[in-house]
Amino acid sequence: AQSVTQLGSHVSVSEGALVLLRCNYSSSVPPYLFWYVQYPNQGLQLLLKYTTGATLVKGINGFEAEFKKSETSFHLTKPSAHMSDAAEYFCAVRENSGYSTLTFGKGTMLLVSP
Amino acid sequence: GAVVSQHPSWVICKSGTSVKIECRSLDFQATTMFWYRQFPKQSLMLMATSNEGSKATYEQGVEKDKFLINHASLTLSTLTVTSAHPEDSSFYICSAAGVSYEQYFGPGTRLTVT
Repeated sequence: AQSVTQLGSHVSVSEGALVLLRCNYSSSVPPYLFWYVQYPNQGLQLLLKYTTGATLVKGINGFEAEFKKSETSFHLTKPSAHMSDAAEYFCAVRENSGYSTLTFGKGTMLLVSP
Repeated sequence: GAVVSQHPSWVICKSGTSVKIECRSLDFQATTMFWYRQFPKQSLMLMATSNEGSKATYEQGVEKDKFLINHASLTLSTLTVTSAHPEDSSFYICSAAGVSYEQYFGPGTRLTVT
């Protein structure tokens, strides 16, 4: 079985500050890891994903995440927050085989203040 | 590429009636489609997985007679909420996966049952 834990249901930062959203996972097999962003009343948009290879993954809108196997973590970071980054962020994991299902974390709401 | 649409984006129906939601993969063939439900300020909950031409596989606790899923073609899946009640009001999101196994998400459908 696989699971995802996102620390903090809400994270507040000031515009221009570092964004750090935490994600820890558990999986019995090598995982694929994802970060999605959701704006109000919209579907999910893929920010970035880790499958194999380089453990530091760069995504859209200046976000990046690092896969750390020893820590079972996949934290999302952005050096400088923009007001437009305010949204709900979901970390997800799935097994690296076929059509296995995505397991989502509970989400973290990122609040950006001017 | 990899665009998934949902229709309608928002629907209001009266208690006891049925409502159908469509999910289409616009530029790829989706051998597998997934239906999720999302309550306010919560994560996505997988309802069912459907493969083209086969019966859907429902997650534990999801009533298959209430949430009818049809995946008749490689580009279309439908979710019909039968005899809807106010507690069925929610945000329903579909995703579609093709040969890459990666899920692409639709924009969601807001269902309100009065």
